[in-house]
Amino acid sequence: LAKTTQPISMDSYEGQEVNITCSHNNIATNDYITWYQQFPSQGPRFIIQGYKTKVTNEVASLFIPADRKSSTLSLPRVSLSDTAVYYCLVVLFSGGYNKLIFGAGTRLAVHP
Amino acid sequence: DADVTQTPRNRITKTGKRIMLECSQTKGHDRMYWYRQDPGLGLRLIYYSFDVKDINKGEISDGYSVSRQAQAKFSLSLESAIPNQTALYFCATSDYRTSGVVETQYFGPGTRLLVL
Repeated sequence: LAKTTQPISMDSYEGQEVNITCSHNNIATNDYITWYQQFPSQGPRFIIQGYKTKVTNEVASLFIPADRKSSTLSLPRVSLSDTAVYYCLVVLFSGGYNKLIFGAGTRLAVHP
Repeated sequence: DADVTQTPRNRITKTGKRIMLECSQTKGHDRMYWYRQDPGLGLRLIYYSFDVKDINKGEISDGYSVSRQAQAKFSLSLESAIPNQTALYFCATSDYRTSGVVETQYFGPGTRLLVL
């Protein structure tokens, strides 16, 4: 299973763009990159998922270079409510059990 | 996710007591999971179930047992609670697809358990 590495914490200010980078050097061909968000005292919530290049939804963008050894979650114009822990996961696409491995995540603090 | 509910939300118990945490979902998903989260750490998988007749151990199943009473219900039991089982417990469900986006897990609000 591919291991991910991401910063322990980040600080930002309201209105700024935040980019959180995740390293996954051992990613396999059938692995997808997935990001979850967790607010205090709540369960994680799926944000975005991608395989290569760029994926965008109403919440975030995910940039994946050609070698797929890293990815960057981009949060445009953050607000105080974006303060949360962000988890980068590598999920195998298979017919069996798709194990999710949650590391410690990146704790993002957005300041006024 | 409001479609995944957990009861109780908070529980205090004593060492040696047996307790049960319950999870219900209205998403119609076949797969259900139990995780625990310790302060400052990520989630660790306790048990998972692909359907009513399929139960599998996760990373940290010792001291826990589960019951899948129906597609929509998955319970976690601590047979004899100990203090190091104090943690935040999450139930999750997933909707596996055979093509396109891989499965996404939907988490409940969590149960905060304190074992004295």
